[in-house]
Amino acid sequence: DTGVSQDPRHKITKRGQNVTFRCDPISEHNRLYWYRQTLGQGPEFLTYFQNEAQLEKSRLLSDRFSAERPKGSFSTLEIQRTEQGDSAMYLCASSPQLARQGEAKNIQYFGAGTRLSVL
Amino acid sequence: AQTVTQSQPEMSVQEAETVTLSCTYDTSESNYYLFWYKQPPSRQMILVIRQEAYKQQNATENRFSVNFQKAAKSFSLKISDSQLGDTAMYFCALRVGGSNYKLTFGKGTLLTVNP
Repeated sequence: DTGVSQDPRHKITKRGQNVTFRCDPISEHNRLYWYRQTLGQGPEFLTYFQNEAQLEKSRLLSDRFSAERPKGSFSTLEIQRTEQGDSAMYLCASSPQLARQGEAKNIQYFGAGTRLSVL
Repeated sequence: AQTVTQSQPEMSVQEAETVTLSCTYDTSESNYYLFWYKQPPSRQMILVIRQEAYKQQNATENRFSVNFQKAAKSFSLKISDSQLGDTAMYFCALRVGGSNYKLTFGKGTLLTVNP
């Protein structure tokens, strides 16, 4: 079990460009979360999937943001027409519906994040 | 809405000493969970310790323990015998029960352990 994997680790883009990030959760974790972390702040919730269903979206997620989890496994987060204010670390986390042996319940396991810089 | 406040932006401690990080929270829910996460420099966030609100006993994990004061809505983290590897950002987080699974984080406390 390799943990939550995020790709790319770093992304530099010009304002107005579209970017897409990928998150691979821990195997068999049916819940997946996206958070955004700006400098000097704690992570802020963006959206949450249970299997392929997107069950909650934060008001932080403007129309330029879209997230998918088409087969209930990996997820993508796309930002269209990026703005400088989108510069942040984008974190993905996953959790199991039922805890497996050796795994605590109600725990979210985080990936290393994708750092986005919009020039 | 839930809020989490960490009033100490930075703290430092000498190796082998004990340090306490503060956290207060606010929620109107009776069923909730509290967490401390550690984020080392340029590395992923990992869980340090968690506490279920319905449990009166304070959680402990090796050198890490919490002081959970439910009435005061306070959830502090004590690190005993501090080690250089404890240097990191520490985030306090809250999750309410039911179907709302999101975590609400504080702004974090940067802990530096000095040799």
